[in-house]
Amino acid sequence: EAGVVQSPRYKIIEKKQPVAFWCNPISGHNTLYWYLQNLGQGPELLIRYENEEAVDDSQLPKDRFSAERLKGVDSTLKIQPAELGDSAVYLCASSRRTGGDETQYFGPGTRLLVL
Amino acid sequence: SQQGEEDPQALSIQEGENATMNCSYKTSINNLQWYRQNSGRGLVHLILIRSNEREKHSGRLRVTLDTSKKSSSLLITASRAADTASYFCASIQGAQKLVFGQGTRLTINP
Repeated sequence: EAGVVQSPRYKIIEKKQPVAFWCNPISGHNTLYWYLQNLGQGPELLIRYENEEAVDDSQLPKDRFSAERLKGVDSTLKIQPAELGDSAVYLCASSRRTGGDETQYFGPGTRLLVL
Repeated sequence: SQQGEEDPQALSIQEGENATMNCSYKTSINNLQWYRQNSGRGLVHLILIRSNEREKHSGRLRVTLDTSKKSSSLLITASRAADTASYFCASIQGAQKLVFGQGTRLTINP
């Protein structure tokens, strides 16, 4: 079974530029998550999708961040414009459905460096 | 905001020794999970313990949960070089939100 796929793995951009990250979840997984992980910290949830609906985006900075999950499969997270403080690893995860006992499967992440 | 706090923040032991990591959390939980993150790789789910369980085993892993103290521990027995990684505890809060601690960086020396 293929795992969660993310691209690109690394991205270096200058501040004020836009950037986009792509995630393809495990086939059949209805729930998709985007996390932000700063250096030396644990991941923090940005947004959670159930199928194509964003059901928890309370931690997403909506002034510059946006996300979409068209057709309830793969998803894109965008930052426009990027700021220096956005340098971090962006992790995508998926699970069969939403539930306390559901295991989340994580992709390798996209490491973003904003100069 | 981080839910859990892991202790210690970093741990270095010799191969073959046991490693113990602790996690404290703040609010009531439905379950507590432990994840491992190797350098350059994503997080991998290790084990889940429910709030009505006190201890759980999986291979060389043993997890305990004390809900009265809001704490959990992860024990790795007979450590191997491949166990070198960061270990995170995470708990489900309220509306199915998984909240992670800051992690323990474990180094196994050959």
